Amino acid sequence: DAEITQSPRHKITETGRQVTLACHQTWNHNNMFWYRQDLGHGLRLIHYSYGVQDTNKGEVSDGYSVSRSNTEDLPLTLESAASSQTSVYFCASSDGRVNTEAFFGQGTRLTVV
Amino acid sequence: DAKTTQPNSMESNEEEPVHLPCNHSTISGTDYIHWYRQLPSQGPEYVIHGLTSNVNNRMASLAIAEDRKSSTLILHRATLRDAAVYYCILRGPYSGGGADGLTFGKGTHLIIQP
Repeated sequence: DAEITQSPRHKITETGRQVTLACHQTWNHNNMFWYRQDLGHGLRLIHYSYGVQDTNKGEVSDGYSVSRSNTEDLPLTLESAASSQTSVYFCASSDGRVNTEAFFGQGTRLTVV
Repeated sequence: DAKTTQPNSMESNEEEPVHLPCNHSTISGTDYIHWYRQLPSQGPEYVIHGLTSNVNNRMASLAIAEDRKSSTLILHRATLRDAAVYYCILRGPYSGGGADGLTFGKGTHLIIQP
């Protein structure tokens, strides 16, 4: 069965370190997204991609970057981790049609100390 | 962007029907109404979607008002496992904000009492 997986599920890192969160989908979807979720803010969009070599900034993109070198993967990089980036991160994918469902990963809980 | 309005929380008893409302008075003719839910410590999952007609699937039913300015997600017989945050989202070609129209609000926190 097709799926979308995130790794790691939990990570603790130190302030200032570079961190990369992985997202891999086997749906062959063109569209992929990264969200963060904090108490009181709901899900906020960080970056998204409509296909290979395409990346776009979302609502809260400062301090984050993504790259799309193939259809299956959209890694999220925190260039220099800050305590404000402690959050739960969700990856999602969709085929781009507005009358079909999107699929979400199980999330990565990141703690920056 | 087309916006949705949902109650912050609702409470229901186990094995009773639950009706979760959503208002979307600025919906456009091409917007689909989607519902997702997020169980504790999990990613959001798709529940149901519709355009104009009422829809049923194994998880729930979606009742759409004739003027499409509101909709109701119906869980026919709630279980404890249905306790989650439910999000009503409009997705259309011109949803705005990029990102395939997947813009989440605060949703409705559904509490199920045993």
